[in-house]
Amino acid sequence: TQLLEQSPQFLSIQEGENLTVYCNSSSVFSSLQWYRQEPGEGPVLLVTVVTGGEVKKLKRLTFQFGDARKDSSLHITAAQPGDTGLYLCAGALNAGNMLTFGGGTRLMVKP
Amino acid sequence: NAGVTQTPKFRILKIGQSMTLQCAQDMNHNYMYWYRQDPGMGLKLIYYSVGAGITDKGEVPNGYNVSRSTTEDFPLRLELAAPSQTSVYFCASRGGPWGQPQHFGDGTRLSIL
Repeated sequence: TQLLEQSPQFLSIQEGENLTVYCNSSSVFSSLQWYRQEPGEGPVLLVTVVTGGEVKKLKRLTFQFGDARKDSSLHITAAQPGDTGLYLCAGALNAGNMLTFGGGTRLMVKP
Repeated sequence: NAGVTQTPKFRILKIGQSMTLQCAQDMNHNYMYWYRQDPGMGLKLIYYSVGAGITDKGEVPNGYNVSRSTTEDFPLRLELAAPSQTSVYFCASRGGPWGQPQHFGDGTRLSIL
């Protein structure tokens, strides 16, 4: 059982559609990060959220941290083929030095 | 900007062989991490270091060892390679609090046959 559960594991959609990826846990995190990873490369940070209820926007991507800091979501509006990749959430417990990763959501956006 | 550099990029080992995966960063970061990523999965922390001379175990440390003699380098050693250690290994570094990004290398793809 993973500390952070991501859903869905796989998502294949057409260009222009909207989608939401979820990251859930029974633990409280002091901060949570979202990364995007392309094949053959390391993950690249998209955003960090630290306050319960916080919403951050990055162009067509909207990130939300749950009020209780146990869950987060990533919403993509009008998905583009360039959004294709593996999306990973990662949480820090009690401002510790370790980051726990979810299992990832593999997104494919077809033109 | 070099960032985090991992070598080698690919390696095939026989069962029982040993090797060292190299990781170097040129950003003067105190925090460094080793992860493994199995196909289609997220990352699992193997070992981490909060500064030169200090290392600690992560989630899956068995079968691995690390050292941190300098701020720049954080090598990962496999002493007796096993098929279960076939994976992609990522090194990462971070300069400060969690608001700052964790910078990843491009990974080392290791196969043990």
